[in-house]
Amino acid sequence: DVKVTQSSRYLVKRTGEKVFLECVQDMDHENMFWYRQDPGLGLRLIYFSYDVKMKEKGDIPEGYSVSREKKERFSLILESASTNQTSMYLCASSFVGAVYEQYFGPGTRLTVT
Amino acid sequence: GQNIDQPTEMTATEGAIVQINCTYQTSGFNGLFWYQQHAGEAPTFLSYNVLDGLEEKGRFSSFLSRSKGYSYLLLKELQMKDSASYLCAVKVDDYKLSFGAGTTVTVRA
Repeated sequence: DVKVTQSSRYLVKRTGEKVFLECVQDMDHENMFWYRQDPGLGLRLIYFSYDVKMKEKGDIPEGYSVSREKKERFSLILESASTNQTSMYLCASSFVGAVYEQYFGPGTRLTVT
Repeated sequence: GQNIDQPTEMTATEGAIVQINCTYQTSGFNGLFWYQQHAGEAPTFLSYNVLDGLEEKGRFSSFLSRSKGYSYLLLKELQMKDSASYLCAVKVDDYKLSFGAGTTVTVRA
């Protein structure tokens, strides 16, 4: 069974703090993704990575950065958290190729106060 | 930009059939995915269509018409456990999925 795990289910941070969200997958997938999910807006892609040390901006990269030092691990970094970054963050991974579905982690609900 | 539309909510009775429509206008098309997401859980893969026509998987079927930019997910013999959000997503290139906002289906006894 494919497993995508995220470091925390719930996180509360203060405005201005640096926040790290970690994601690990165990299926040797090349691609990894970070999304945020907000009511009425669906899942929006923040960043993705198709290989170690490679990253590409998604649709809403502002205020975020990412790191992929190992194939199985993809980190999302909020350099200076703001209240409008309060959201559900979902990590996903997949093999390369159009036909392959993405597998999602359980999500991290981040609240910035 | 990408435009993927699906209804916000649908309600149906246990044992009935529900059809969730999805229309899309995207910069690229490499297939259409449907995901199911129960409240508080991760989305899980349901189906994938890349050619026109109907794909059937047990109680769930998905249809695609590329010329019309249209897909639907058909849920038959509804069960209470089918109460969830259903997400339509278009693969716009080899990597990226662009998602609709999701349709919340409520199954009533």
